[in-house]
Amino acid sequence: AVQLVESGGGLVQPKESLKISCAASGFTFSNAAMYWVRQAPGKGLEWVARIRTKPNNYATYYADSVKGRFTISRDDSKSMVYLQMDNLKTEDTAMYYCTASIAATVMDAWGQGASVTVSS
Amino acid sequence: NIVMTQSPKSMSISVGDRVTMNCKASQNVGNNIAWYQQKPGQSPKLLIYYASNRYTGVPDRFTGGGYGTDFTLTINSVQAEDAAFYYCQRIYNSWTFGGGTKLELK
Repeated sequence: AVQLVESGGGLVQPKESLKISCAASGFTFSNAAMYWVRQAPGKGLEWVARIRTKPNNYATYYADSVKGRFTISRDDSKSMVYLQMDNLKTEDTAMYYCTASIAATVMDAWGQGASVTVSS
Repeated sequence: NIVMTQSPKSMSISVGDRVTMNCKASQNVGNNIAWYQQKPGQSPKLLIYYASNRYTGVPDRFTGGGYGTDFTLTINSVQAEDAAFYYCQRIYNSWTFGGGTKLELK
């Protein structure tokens, strides 16, 4: 079965950094584009970042709200995707979901989320 | 940047009713739209992709339609388990979500 398991969330202070991870299994990871989507408490979904596959040069894309502060990366040998978050702001507080495009250019698999709280 | 606007923000209907919710893109996005369902405390789940394609395992009471800038998600004969938030999303070149529609059962 397809599984995406996030880890590494927690409480950090503003301007600090945090790296969250996502372990994938049950599908050919190297063939799947991967994404991070977040959801602030009581709010809707916000796409954060996308990374394509090796044939597409691992191209990355970011929402304007995180561009220059967040970095998405992947390790196909470990079936892992990461989100490095620098210069965190209180408005980055959210549940961060790891998602995958397995069948098509859609997020057809989702993890359970990693909670990130940015507060002093 | 393309903005996705969903309406209504919430709706309350009875089991067995038919419901249609809307998603409007600020620019032509062709058929590059997906719909997701999110129940309280759960991760979102894909329902519809490329505007009208039902994802594997999604009941056929869920139907997506539209093209260009105006899209709909229709649920025929709503069931109790359909109470949830529904989000549309552009799925090409940017992956912007709409603000969501909350579906409540009377």
